Amino acid sequence: AQTVTQSQPEMSVQEAETVTLSCTYDTSESDYYLFWYKQPPSRQMILVIRQEAYKQQNATENRFSVNFQKAAKSFSLKISDSQLGDAAMYFCAYRTLYTGANSKLTFGKGITLSVRP
Amino acid sequence: DTGVSQDPRHKITKRGQNVTFRCDPISEHNRLYWYRQTLGQGPEFLTYFQNEAQLEKSRLLSDRFSAERPKGSFSTLEIQRTEQGDSAMYLCASSSGTERSGEQYFGPGTRLTVT
Repeated sequence: AQTVTQSQPEMSVQEAETVTLSCTYDTSESDYYLFWYKQPPSRQMILVIRQEAYKQQNATENRFSVNFQKAAKSFSLKISDSQLGDAAMYFCAYRTLYTGANSKLTFGKGITLSVRP
Repeated sequence: DTGVSQDPRHKITKRGQNVTFRCDPISEHNRLYWYRQTLGQGPEFLTYFQNEAQLEKSRLLSDRFSAERPKGSFSTLEIQRTEQGDSAMYLCASSSGTERSGEQYFGPGTRLTVT
């Protein structure tokens, strides 16, 4: 079974600075998807960024980028130019590449990010 | 496209009562998922539908839990004889079966409190 580990429960960043959130995972599969989801307080979870394991290039979405190290099974999220609206809980998640009956997401415990003005 | 909706948003019930939650997925999505999220934890998978067929159930889904998706559109999750340990946020998500990445779109959740 796949597992996702987020070992930092909380992090804090100064507005306009850069912060990196860590995630490690364990799987025996060679192809899969990795995701970072954002869950603002009392609001619904939204997708921040996705990475396909067979792609060597790290995914980027505006101020969000990942550092995907497949051999190390590491998937960190970098947020540049942090904004107050980035304050939220962030979840790292894993999904098998093959769609079908086993297409559920496996989440880490999450990390609470606070942004200091 | 109004996104995934869930009803009710909050539910307080007494131990031993039955509760039912509803999820309306994005209209063209044929896949629907239920997750449970306890305080300070990540969501945990409960069950999955493709159209009206329930294809996978987690071991977390005890006999007191039942989920349906009768016409392949909305879904209900019922908990019978609720226990205090059932207190959690219940999240619904949907995805398109034709999209390669199978991105799941989440609803706002139903927060259940069992007293």
